[in-house]
Amino acid sequence: QSVLTQPPSASATPGQRVTISCSGSSSNVGSNTVNWYQQLPGTAPKLLIYTNNQRPSGVPDRFSGSKSGTSASLAISGLRSEDEADYYCAAWDDSLNGAVFGGGTKLTVL
Amino acid sequence: EVHLLESGGGLVQPGGSLRLSCAASGFTFNNYAMTWVRRAPGKGLEWVSSVLGSTLNTYYADSVKGRFTISRDNSKNTLYLQLNSLRGDDTAMYYCARGFPLAHFDYWGQGTLVTVSS
Repeated sequence: QSVLTQPPSASATPGQRVTISCSGSSSNVGSNTVNWYQQLPGTAPKLLIYTNNQRPSGVPDRFSGSKSGTSASLAISGLRSEDEADYYCAAWDDSLNGAVFGGGTKLTVL
Repeated sequence: EVHLLESGGGLVQPGGSLRLSCAASGFTFNNYAMTWVRRAPGKGLEWVSSVLGSTLNTYYADSVKGRFTISRDNSKNTLYLQLNSLRGDDTAMYYCARGFPLAHFDYWGQGTLVTVSS
């Protein structure tokens, strides 16, 4: 059972927009910034969004993040087949004194 | 260019030990906290342990506390993870990542596989 809650799966067709949610609590998402990671099949995770809504250099602006209260979300617009991957949210947890990840959302591009 | 290369994984029996290494290059190693994250088969990412760059303070997930030890040799630009008293649920791909504060990991290695089985 992960500390941060994500839907286990999501799907959409190419060109559509999809949103992945991440629900936490006051000790993690509610009081700290959220980061998102993308893990393509057979590869290492990659930082996709940091500090709630910032994109590292090289990440397309099709990817965006937001946070409100104890929830955060990742939106992907103009969906492409190469976006098919596992997506994870992560945050610092003040009570656990450590980093926590969501359980991950497997995105399928139909 | 930042590069992280893990090594040391393998097959080990329950109760056994293993030491993982992560060779870093392309950045000033001692300026950054470093972290180990794992992914077990069929499961999601799990933060394992982190060590700060200068103070060498260490942090552990409850699931590995007392069994795993993180360390670093700043003169060799290398991060380590000593895994003791290994259990079946420690079977996972172990990734080395740069960063730690606020769960911000900006560079990752390709991982090294640890399999705990008799």
